[in-house]
Amino acid sequence: QVQLVQSGAEVKKPGASVKVSCKASVYTFTGHYIHWVRQAPGQGLEWMGWINPYTGDTLYAEMFLGRVTMTRDTYVSTAYMELSRLRLDDTATYYCARDYCSDKSCSVFHYWGQGTLVTVSS
Amino acid sequence: EIVMTQSPATLSVSPGERATFSCRASQSVSSDLAWYQQKPGQAPRLLIYAASTRATGIPARFRGSGSGRDFTLTISSLQSEDFAVYHCQQYKHWPGTFGQGTKVEVK
Repeated sequence: QVQLVQSGAEVKKPGASVKVSCKASVYTFTGHYIHWVRQAPGQGLEWMGWINPYTGDTLYAEMFLGRVTMTRDTYVSTAYMELSRLRLDDTATYYCARDYCSDKSCSVFHYWGQGTLVTVSS
Repeated sequence: EIVMTQSPATLSVSPGERATFSCRASQSVSSDLAWYQQKPGQAPRLLIYAASTRATGIPARFRGSGSGRDFTLTISSLQSEDFAVYHCQQYKHWPGTFGQGTKVEVK
């Protein structure tokens, strides 16, 4: 069974950065895009962007441009999402999700990590 | 950006009954529509993609339909484990966007 295991909860101050990891197992890490989706408390889901683990190419949603960086380490089958200049309204659960398609982005989120709660508080 | 509108926001249904709820896109998304189920404290789970194709392991009581702008998810006979929030998502146009969710609760 495909697994995506994320790093633990974080508490950050406004203006700081946070880096969340997503370790993949039981499949070929470089074969499927990894997406990041966030969910503010009691709110809907918001797509942040994707990374192609094979090439390292990324695509970010416009609202996160300049603040988000997605990277990967193929040796440890792990994707990372770093969000900088944190604001109070960045408080949310951040999920990584594996794309349904192989070798391209369909933006259908087949397998999900368990989520990482990031709390931004002064 | 495509806006996805789900209705109703909350649906109260008795176990064993049928549940039907909707998702409307602000412009056509063809059949590039997915449905996810989310229980409290859990990550979403993919139920349906391509508007009507069930993901692996999803029971046949979940049925997706529609194309263009209007889509429906029907759960034919609600089981206790089906009470949850359901999100629709279009992936035709970048960026993929989600609806605000429909909560299915026990009547």
